[in-house]
Amino acid sequence: KAGVTQTPRYLIKTRGQQVTLSCSPISGHRSVSWYQQTPGQGLQFLFEYFSETQRNKGNFPGRFSGRQFSNSRSEMNVSTLELGDSALYLCASSPDTSAGYGYTFGSGTRLTVV
Amino acid sequence: AQRVTQPEKLLSVFKGAPVELKCNYSYSGSPELFWYVQYSRQRLQLLLRHISRESIKGFTADLNKGETSFHLKKPFAQEEDSAMYYCALKGGSGYSTLTFGKGTMLLVSP
Repeated sequence: KAGVTQTPRYLIKTRGQQVTLSCSPISGHRSVSWYQQTPGQGLQFLFEYFSETQRNKGNFPGRFSGRQFSNSRSEMNVSTLELGDSALYLCASSPDTSAGYGYTFGSGTRLTVV
Repeated sequence: AQRVTQPEKLLSVFKGAPVELKCNYSYSGSPELFWYVQYSRQRLQLLLRHISRESIKGFTADLNKGETSFHLKKPFAQEEDSAMYYCALKGGSGYSTLTFGKGTMLLVSP
């Protein structure tokens, strides 16, 4: 079955612009999480959605937002881009968040802010 | 607050040597621990989860609650094991956030 699909793979944006990233989870997976990966900070949790509801949010400014649709697809949006937002953004999906379920990650979207 | 520490940024060994990648955690409840691996130019993949008590690609990891550790071990390293390894913690049932360590790069030389 298809894995977690993230689009686009690469993005170059200018400071001040906004960007929307998309994630299609594995079919049947209801939980979708987003992570930011940078060389300095490593993997940091952004937010998690389950059945269209945001259940957890990481320690990121309000410029970072997301949503989940009824088909479990998710988008994240970053407004007023800053140079420090340059990172690999990873999406992960899981069938459930009960004990024993791991997460399957997508290949990520590489965002470069210039 | 939950925290995962991987003390080594880089671990370099020769083929056939034993490998131990260290992971210590801080969490007040009953955590779930995972090991993820990222091979060059590939996506992050789940390697092991403590709840399964499985061995994948010769790797094993035991959760030691007394020492709050979840070290990853392999008796004989192979060149294809060279990759970035991340230890991750998830809180108890109902908690969905993964907290990752900074990762350890394993380099296996011939």
